[in-house]
Amino acid sequence: GAVVSQHPSWVICKSGTSVKIECRSLDFQATTMFWYRQFPKQSLMLMATSNEGSKATYEQGVEKDKFLINHASLTLSTLTVTSAHPEDSSFYICSARAGTGGSGNTIYFGEGSWLTVV
Amino acid sequence: DQQVKQNSPSLSVQEGRISILNCDYTNSMFDYFLWYKKYPAEGPTFLISISSIKDKNEDGRFTVFLNKSAKHLSLHIVPSQPGDSAVYFCVQVGGGSEKLVFGKGTKLTVNP
Repeated sequence: GAVVSQHPSWVICKSGTSVKIECRSLDFQATTMFWYRQFPKQSLMLMATSNEGSKATYEQGVEKDKFLINHASLTLSTLTVTSAHPEDSSFYICSARAGTGGSGNTIYFGEGSWLTVV
Repeated sequence: DQQVKQNSPSLSVQEGRISILNCDYTNSMFDYFLWYKKYPAEGPTFLISISSIKDKNEDGRFTVFLNKSAKHLSLHIVPSQPGDSAVYFCVQVGGGSEKLVFGKGTKLTVNP
């Protein structure tokens, strides 16, 4: 089946620095990718919808200047956490939709990336 | 307002028995649902889906039932296996933006 790969799986960074997380669709093209974050014991929360070749659409309450999303190609989207702070420590997951669109297409998730800001 | 509710945060069953995970939703405009299974520190894995044109979808040990009038769906796992122990998310697909609305999840524990 379709595979979505995230890198890195684990990252520790110092407060005030930036960190980039990559999301790749390995065997299909994804015009739309999604970025989520999950705090402990909570559900996944959609942060933004990433569209290839255009600006990402952010959910309410998500700072677009802090969480930079770039969807430069049909197989790669990146999330950059800028000026990271300890409260940004979380599990970040991307997903990609296989197919041309519509609710009939399955959405596949990456393995997730643990970010710890110290 | 689009909400997906999984009112049971946890469920424990014996190996070989049936596991039933429930999900309720509020917005009937978007009637395509997905179930995902998630292990700790991993991304969710797609399990099974169902759309409004069906009231049942079966895939091996997994069956999802959709009751549109009650705005309720359930995932049945039979027979349950210890490897099924994970958190299960009920997900409703929003229209247009393909926004996924997640329930809070139900942690299933299958005891040997």
